[in-house]
Amino acid sequence: KQEVTQIPAALSVPEGENLVLNCSFTDSAIYNLQWFRQDPGKGLTSLLLIQSSQREQTSGRLNASLDKSSGRSTLYIAASQPGDSATYLCAVKNQAGTALIFGKGTTLSVSS
Amino acid sequence: GAVVSQHPSRVICKSGTSVKIECRSLDFQATTMFWYRQFPKQSLMLMATSNEGSKATYEQGVEKDKFLINHASLTLSTLTVTSAHPEDSSFYICSAREIKSGTQETQYFGPGTRLLVL
Repeated sequence: KQEVTQIPAALSVPEGENLVLNCSFTDSAIYNLQWFRQDPGKGLTSLLLIQSSQREQTSGRLNASLDKSSGRSTLYIAASQPGDSATYLCAVKNQAGTALIFGKGTTLSVSS
Repeated sequence: GAVVSQHPSRVICKSGTSVKIECRSLDFQATTMFWYRQFPKQSLMLMATSNEGSKATYEQGVEKDKFLINHASLTLSTLTVTSAHPEDSSFYICSAREIKSGTQETQYFGPGTRLLVL
């Protein structure tokens, strides 16, 4: 059974710092991996989607990498801002047609 | 990206009543929709997979008679929480699967429904 783990559970950094969020999954045979952002009491905002054949995806200050063989993904946030404060969720899809399986998330707090 | 809506966004009900939550894919057809539940400070847990025109598949530990799912059309799935109790209070999020170019699929999420059972 696929399990997704995110480390750290919480992270506090000063504004401007570059940071890395980690995600690991137990079954490396995935279809794709997705990173989401969730603000308190709100729904999910999709940040980056990496297909199994891809190594990384970039959007603005965000860069996500995927190493399927080791069962790992990282989300890199450059020059963090207070507006980046949120919970970041990593999710994997095992096969086409199946549901995304979520990690417990990393709660990020960026202070000004 | 594609849009998924949920209604209502928030509902408060008395214990013992039933609550229906609607999930709609607004600009694409979704043969498959997924229902998740999220308790405070927890991650999203998959409850069931809803397939258009057939019975839903429930995850282990989810009572199918309590959480009724109907996926009667390619754009609408409903989740009915029957005889709701305070422990059913949670954030319910639906997701719809879009398939492009025959093979590439993406899962889009609704904004969620917050249920409070008194």
